[in-house]
Amino acid sequence: GAVVSQHPSWVICKSGTSVKIECRSLDFQATTMFWYRQFPKQSLMLMATSNEGSKATYEQGVEKDKFLINHASLTLSTLTVTSAHPEDSSFYICSARKQGVGETQYFGPGTRLLVL
Amino acid sequence: AQSVTQPDIHITVSEGASLELRCNYSYGATPYLFWYVQSPGQGLQLLLKYFSGDTLVQGIKGFEAEFKRSQSSFNLRKPSVHWSDAAEYFCAVGAGGTASKLTFGTGTRLQVTL
Repeated sequence: GAVVSQHPSWVICKSGTSVKIECRSLDFQATTMFWYRQFPKQSLMLMATSNEGSKATYEQGVEKDKFLINHASLTLSTLTVTSAHPEDSSFYICSARKQGVGETQYFGPGTRLLVL
Repeated sequence: AQSVTQPDIHITVSEGASLELRCNYSYGATPYLFWYVQSPGQGLQLLLKYFSGDTLVQGIKGFEAEFKRSQSSFNLRKPSVHWSDAAEYFCAVGAGGTASKLTFGTGTRLQVTL
């Protein structure tokens, strides 16, 4: 199998606080994980590529200091939304790349963030 | 740069009817293609993928897709839709013939009437 988990599944926080979201590959190792953002009724927007043991690669327009990514092990990547504001409210989805023949990205269940 | 077009934003079919969701891609080399399904408030589940070999690929839940290079298409089909198939469907293409960086289409929302 290829299972990816995310925690928490939803979070409500006050404006100005920081929120950490964890993404774990449960039954395989992933040197590369990805963080996406999805607005209501829209497609996924890639925010950044998380590389184990090195710095993340951010997509154009994504603030590095706003969305901190750490990929400290082969099964865990974290996304920290720093000094969150209401406009950061969204659905955040991670994925992990399972390499090999027919490699595939497997997605987590998503985290819904609401900033008040 | 690669791109994916899903021409149909919303499709409604009757339960038991056949289904075809369209996907057209733009990519310079042999593409690496995926179909994912997303239920409301959930992550994405892989239905099937194509990276080489037989151009007709079988997936989970009775879905299949056919890669047609001449038409730059990778349409998803199911012969008989079930009410539980109602969801959002995303087509995606991988860069460099891998799953390293996926470009998604805008999605097609499937509604199933009883």
